[in-house]
Amino acid sequence: QITLKESGPTLVKPTQTLTLTCTFSGFSLSTNGVTVGWFRQPPGKALEWLALFYWDDDKRYSPSLKSRLAITKDTSKNQVVLTMTNMDPVDTATYYCAHRGEGWYYFDYWGQGTLVTVSS
Amino acid sequence: YELTQALSVSVALGQTARITCGGNSIGSKNVHWYQQKPGQAPVLVIYKDSNRPSGIPERFSGSNSGNTATLTISRAQAGDEADFYCQVWDSSTVVFGGGTKLTVL
Repeated sequence: QITLKESGPTLVKPTQTLTLTCTFSGFSLSTNGVTVGWFRQPPGKALEWLALFYWDDDKRYSPSLKSRLAITKDTSKNQVVLTMTNMDPVDTATYYCAHRGEGWYYFDYWGQGTLVTVSS
Repeated sequence: YELTQALSVSVALGQTARITCGGNSIGSKNVHWYQQKPGQAPVLVIYKDSNRPSGIPERFSGSNSGNTATLTISRAQAGDEADFYCQVWDSSTVVFGGGTKLTVL
């Protein structure tokens, strides 16, 4: 059974760096083909993709946010970590991590999401 | 790459709802659909144009051709009310449509 859960601060100040952790079970990031993605959704708005981390340590970032994002993994802890620098109130959103379906770019298991508010 | 969805679609209880996703030559891509109810995470309902994950009712189906992909919900139920998002992979990026709110009357 695959599960994912996001964790991190609920409130960050403008200009600060956000660090979010995705803790998962039911799969291993060492397995060929496994990928974890990060997404966000501002209140009342659409889903937005942020980053992908692949089993072979390859990474992909949203072009519009690439300069502010970094994605890493801790295989021993079954975690994928996303950092976003220079947070702004427009970054207020629910942040999700998700497991990519085998061989294709769809996302079949999602975490419950974590709401991050950016405010001074 | 842009995906265009209508902001809202309404359907009478028991009737068929069609939610479209427009994109340039989208028929050449694999389209995936998610259902998101208020306060919940997205749920994959269709992958690779027309495949249903286990646990998704047969009432949900998908098609994709030309410049339009379509999610069809037959015999709409009150519990189908949700936001629906289409998604593709293009130029090494994940792209979502703007979402369609389905209302069951």
